[in-house]
Amino acid sequence: GQQLNQSPQSMFIQEGEDVSMNCTSSSIFNTWLWYKQDPGEGPVLLIALYKAGELTSNGRLTAQFGITRKDSFLNISASIPSDVGIYFCAGQPGGGGSNYKLTFGKGTLLTVNP
Amino acid sequence: DAGVIQSPRHEVTEMGQEVTLRCKPISGHDYLFWYRQTMMRGLELLIYFNNNVPIDDSGMPEDRFSAKMPNASFSTLKIQPSEPRDSAVYFCASSLTHTQYFGPGTRLTVL
Repeated sequence: GQQLNQSPQSMFIQEGEDVSMNCTSSSIFNTWLWYKQDPGEGPVLLIALYKAGELTSNGRLTAQFGITRKDSFLNISASIPSDVGIYFCAGQPGGGGSNYKLTFGKGTLLTVNP
Repeated sequence: DAGVIQSPRHEVTEMGQEVTLRCKPISGHDYLFWYRQTMMRGLELLIYFNNNVPIDDSGMPEDRFSAKMPNASFSTLKIQPSEPRDSAVYFCASSLTHTQYFGPGTRLTVL
């Protein structure tokens, strides 16, 4: 089946630093999603990308949909302590019906040192 | 809207017991997904429904797992009999289109 390779697995940074994480896939996705999970909670959607090459921002977060449709990255600028959590990429074939299934990466654990 | 509601939030049971997890999706959403999350395997899709009909159950680990959606506002995931390796956090998510909204999860511990 489809697999997503997400890296890095974990990051430990100082408050104020920028962060970058990425996902690569063995197959094509038509939609890329980035979620954040806080301890004891379910994943929450941060950004959704629908077109190859698309660059989308949400506050200090910026994500891009790779041209090949097999990769995506997420940047967080000027990190703050509340950015701590696990970040997941997810890919979706698209097109409706069974293509609403999501394949998740293994996550990037982000720790921000105040 | 209250979001996706799951119950119980925590469940501790003994091996061999039946476990039932419950989910109320967001009103109006016609897709419902059940996931399992473990450290080793990450987030795995178990089964999903569209308009209360199971569409893909290929992620259900074995016959001990079953899921139902008797109506648009309720779904259950049942494990019978439970085993220690079933210990995980189980999430329910619902969606109308691409964006899936997750519930807070049920942390299951099987002793």
